[in-house]
Amino acid sequence: KAGVTQTPRYLIKTRGQQVTLSCSPISGHRSVSWYQQTPGQGLQFLFEYFSETQRNKGNFPGRFSGRQFSNSRSEMNVSTLELGDSALYLCASSLDGRSSGNTIYFGEGSWLTVV
Amino acid sequence: AQSVTQLGSHVSVSEGALVLLRCNYSSSVPPYLFWYVQYPNQGLQLLLKYTSAATLVKGINGFEAEFKKSETSFHLTKPSAHMSDAAEYFCAVTVRSGTYKYIFGTGTRLKVLA
Repeated sequence: KAGVTQTPRYLIKTRGQQVTLSCSPISGHRSVSWYQQTPGQGLQFLFEYFSETQRNKGNFPGRFSGRQFSNSRSEMNVSTLELGDSALYLCASSLDGRSSGNTIYFGEGSWLTVV
Repeated sequence: AQSVTQLGSHVSVSEGALVLLRCNYSSSVPPYLFWYVQYPNQGLQLLLKYTSAATLVKGINGFEAEFKKSETSFHLTKPSAHMSDAAEYFCAVTVRSGTYKYIFGTGTRLKVLA
């Protein structure tokens, strides 16, 4: 069974540009969540989608957005990139996310460097 | 609001020695607790999780953790460290009500010395 797949794995962008990251969840998983990981802040929750609806959101500015498609694949977008957006962006999926005890499974992440 | 605190951002142990990584949680309702491991340049992998079925939880790669409500702790242990255990370990909590959201600790980087 294929795991969570994230693309691209590595990318470099310039300040002010925008970026779109993609995530394909494990087959059958309908909940997708996104996290930002930085050395200073650790893992920070961005948002969670279920059945194409954003169900939960972390404390990030509106420059960070996401969406989920009918096949459960998800994208996140960061507009007007800042140097501080340089991070590892992790996507995780779970079956339905209705239960807090659901295990979430992570992809390998997308490394974003903003220069 | 729920949270987790991991004591010690870096831990070093000798190969064959006991591994103890500490995690304390704060939650006003019964929590679900998780330990994840992250190897270099990879995502996070689930080691084990506590869902109230048993206080001692066994995970993969010989790791286990014990839920102690009186101490609000969920420490991760392994009797004998192996070089391949070198990684970063994250404790996480969700709660059993409302919309679920994982809250992660800041992580503990484990170094295993030959």
